[in-house]
Amino acid sequence: EADIYQTPRYLVIGTGKKITLECSQTMGHDKMYWYQQDPGMELHLIHYSYGVNSTEKGDLSSESTVSRIRTEHFPLTLESARPSHTSQYLCASSVLTSPYGEQFFGPGTRLTVL
Amino acid sequence: AQSVTQLGSHVSVSEGALVLLRCNYSSSVPPYLFWYVQYPNQGLQLLLKYTSAATLVKGINGFEAEFKKSETSFHLTKPSAHMSDAAEYFCAVTLLSGNTPLVFGKGTRLSVIA
Repeated sequence: EADIYQTPRYLVIGTGKKITLECSQTMGHDKMYWYQQDPGMELHLIHYSYGVNSTEKGDLSSESTVSRIRTEHFPLTLESARPSHTSQYLCASSVLTSPYGEQFFGPGTRLTVL
Repeated sequence: AQSVTQLGSHVSVSEGALVLLRCNYSSSVPPYLFWYVQYPNQGLQLLLKYTSAATLVKGINGFEAEFKKSETSFHLTKPSAHMSDAAEYFCAVTLLSGNTPLVFGKGTRLSVIA
């Protein structure tokens, strides 16, 4: 079944650790996105990609980095986690050629940095 | 640049009552509009979308929304609220080309009272 996956679902780590949040989709989509969702619900676009070897920064400045080496995989990395990175991270994808641009979301990763 | 404004960060209704969640958009060109729902500890799920084919759009779970260009609105309604409708709802907009990331509103939390 075509879907979008995120692992881990929950992560609690200490300050200074390097972490990678995984996102994979089997929908054959070219576009992928990372959002940070704060406790007040608001979604902030932090990174997006329109295809392999394409990455762009979003509206919210983030200390994270992303890579897009394979179409189906779009991991997000924090080199040195801090308590301010505590948040929910949502991955999404969409079809490059869709005239509508609707996005499909993964279940999210809830990150807590102590 | 396009944007959406969701009036009311929290709406509370009684079970069986009308649900009305408000969304106003700002766009210099005809937009595509979306409503997403987020249940606790999950990602966003597409409820419905406006793609200029019809101004009244029906979605899943009995929800519908009407595009009103004169009012720049895309309000979400459901005739009779159910306890399972309690969730967070997001309105989103993108340009008619569909080639830009979605711009999300800040979300409205819907509570349903028994």
